[in-house]
Amino acid sequence: RKEVEQDPGPFNVPEGATVAFNCTYSNSASQSFFWYRQDCRKEPKLLMSVYSSGNEDGRFTAQLNRASQYISLLIRDSKLSDSATYLCVVDQTGANNLFFGTGTRLTVIP
Amino acid sequence: DGGITQSPKYLFRKEGQNVTLSCEQNLNHDAMYWYRQDPGQGLRLIYYSQIVNDFQKGDIAEGYSVSREKKESFPLTVTSAQKNPTAFYLCASSIRLGTSGRGRNIQYFGAGTRLSVL
Repeated sequence: RKEVEQDPGPFNVPEGATVAFNCTYSNSASQSFFWYRQDCRKEPKLLMSVYSSGNEDGRFTAQLNRASQYISLLIRDSKLSDSATYLCVVDQTGANNLFFGTGTRLTVIP
Repeated sequence: DGGITQSPKYLFRKEGQNVTLSCEQNLNHDAMYWYRQDPGQGLRLIYYSQIVNDFQKGDIAEGYSVSREKKESFPLTVTSAQKNPTAFYLCASSIRLGTSGRGRNIQYFGAGTRLSVL
């Protein structure tokens, strides 16, 4: 079983729509969680960390469900510039590296 | 500007040739990483280094080698033993926030090197 699993999509949504991605992780010892954004043929960039109580950054909301071992990312009022691949990333205490999901591709359509 | 610089942006390897990808950071980060990304796949860890003069194999180290002689630099050599080297190579460095090694491991990436075989 993969450490981190995501629906690859693609998700094609109209401008202004709300879209949500989920990601599951296999190791219950995982401690830190992140969403990264990767544009086509570019490097991943940190979008936001995910905190236990859930957190929001503008139109983006991240939530963590430890009992079910999944994290989510909600994007409200989608913009064309939100089109990208969103990577779910998990850090385990004691591990020396992060575990990356394969990414969920989002295309926002005019 | 602080950041991670990878060079070259594009690289072509001939059969049987070793090539070296450069990664330099001026963020004063202790840890550095090399990943490989293939189309439609996630990032796979090749090697990582937590401190100067020390490095560890990741999930797909075969056919690759690294060195960490300076904190700022973590070059990756793709050897002739790597039979399928065509990929997007990403270097990252990280800072672990918090204390006692239990804080968040935030990784920052360079712009990547695209390696192709001639």
